[in-house]
Amino acid sequence: AQSVAQPEDQVKVAEGNPLTVKCTYSVSGNPYLFWYVQYPNRGLQFLLKYITGDNLVKGSYGFEAEFNKSQTSFHLKKPSALVSDSALYFCAVPGGNTGKLIFGQGTTLQVKP
Amino acid sequence: GAGVSQSPRYKVTKRGQDVALRCDPISGHVSLYWYRQALGQGPEFLTYFNYEAQQDKSGLPNDRFSAERPEGSISTLTIQRTEQRDSAMYRCASSFGTGREKLFFGSGTQLSVL
Repeated sequence: AQSVAQPEDQVKVAEGNPLTVKCTYSVSGNPYLFWYVQYPNRGLQFLLKYITGDNLVKGSYGFEAEFNKSQTSFHLKKPSALVSDSALYFCAVPGGNTGKLIFGQGTTLQVKP
Repeated sequence: GAGVSQSPRYKVTKRGQDVALRCDPISGHVSLYWYRQALGQGPEFLTYFNYEAQQDKSGLPNDRFSAERPEGSISTLTIQRTEQRDSAMYRCASSFGTGREKLFFGSGTQLSVL
């Protein structure tokens, strides 16, 4: 069965510092991997996805994610965090051939000024 | 419309009542999904429509839950004889195609069953 795990419930970083939000996956076949962000009182927003090709995927708002097949990881990164990046982040994998997604439990990112 | 619209934004109901939650996807989007999200958890898949056809309802918890999308656009998720455990945020999402494309989510309907 397809699954993702986000080992950290919360990540705290200072503004201007690099940030990493971790995700590990378990899939059969070639992995398709997604990151979504949820701001307070808003719906989830797509950040980026990995299908194939370069292991470093660039997405919205300056975020990027690194696909590592040997470690079955797809960590979300940003070189310099902003206070406005504070939100709930979800890693996800497809649950079939449609766009149905299986989400991780989420990681709350808190960026302090 | 500009985005996925869900109504009502909040719904408070008494146990045993039926509720209907509405989703208006982005115009032209073929695929429509319903998810349920408990506080502090990731969204959990409920059901999927390709145009008007309900192609996957494997996530519906029991037969009190049903969904329809009769004209391939607006969708309604109905919960009959609501129970307190049904309280959650119900989210709708749509996408242009039918493959592994990004989903556009609505702001959700917060359902509280008293």
